[in-house]
Amino acid sequence: TQLLEQSPQFLSIQEGENLTVYCNSSSVFSSLQWYRQEPGEGPVLLVTVVTGGEVKKLKRLTFQFGDARKDSSLHITAAQPGDTGLYLCAGAIQGGSEKLVFGKGMKLTVNP
Amino acid sequence: GAGVSQTPSNKVTEKGKYVELRCDPISGHTALYWYRQSLGQGPEFLIYFQGTGAADDSGLPNDRFFAVRPEGSVSTLKIQRTERGDSAVYLCASSKSHENTEAFFGQGTRLTVV
Repeated sequence: TQLLEQSPQFLSIQEGENLTVYCNSSSVFSSLQWYRQEPGEGPVLLVTVVTGGEVKKLKRLTFQFGDARKDSSLHITAAQPGDTGLYLCAGAIQGGSEKLVFGKGMKLTVNP
Repeated sequence: GAGVSQTPSNKVTEKGKYVELRCDPISGHTALYWYRQSLGQGPEFLIYFQGTGAADDSGLPNDRFFAVRPEGSVSTLKIQRTERGDSAVYLCASSKSHENTEAFFGQGTRLTVV
C-alpha cells in the first residue's frame, strides 16, 4: 500500500506551460516536504509545509498543504526546461515513528 | 564536507556475496535514514536511526539486511547473500532531529548484483 499517491506520474509539456502535481494520502502528516531529483543525484529539498492550509511560494513554484494535512499540491508557472526532473513528495505521519515516507514521484519533462 | 557522503558511489558484486555501504551524515544531525530507490521510482524506506538506535526498521525487506550506527554518526548498511533483486540505488539522508524531518540526501550508492 502506497501511503502517498502522486499524480500524474509522468508529464511532458512545452516550455511556458503551467502544471500542477498532486500528493494525496488517507493519513495525516505532521509535516510534508517536496523534493526534486535529477538523474544520478539524491533528492534535493524544495520546501516544507507544516500547517494545514499553508501556501508557500518559491519563485515560479507554489506549494499548498491541505487543510486536513492529508494532501498537498505543487503548481509550476511558466515551466522551463531546467524544471525537468523527478518531483517527490514526502511526509512524516503524525503519531507514527516520524520516519519520512515518499511518494513514487512525478517525472516532469519540459521541452524547449 | 558539508553534505551527506556515501561510499562507494558504485558497487558491483556477485550474487551471494556480502556488501557494506557507508553513510557519513551531516555533522550534528541526529536522525539518519536509509532508502532504496529503483529506476524511476520514489525512495523506499528501509530504516531510520535516532542517535545510535534504530527507531524504525520496518522497511528492511528481510533478515539479509542490517544496519548499524554505533556512535550516532556514521552508519553502515550491510547486505548478506546478495541477490539480483537487491540491485538499486541506496540513498542515505540525515536531518537535524526526529522533530525536524527536512532530510538532506547523499548521492547514493548504485549497487549492481550480477
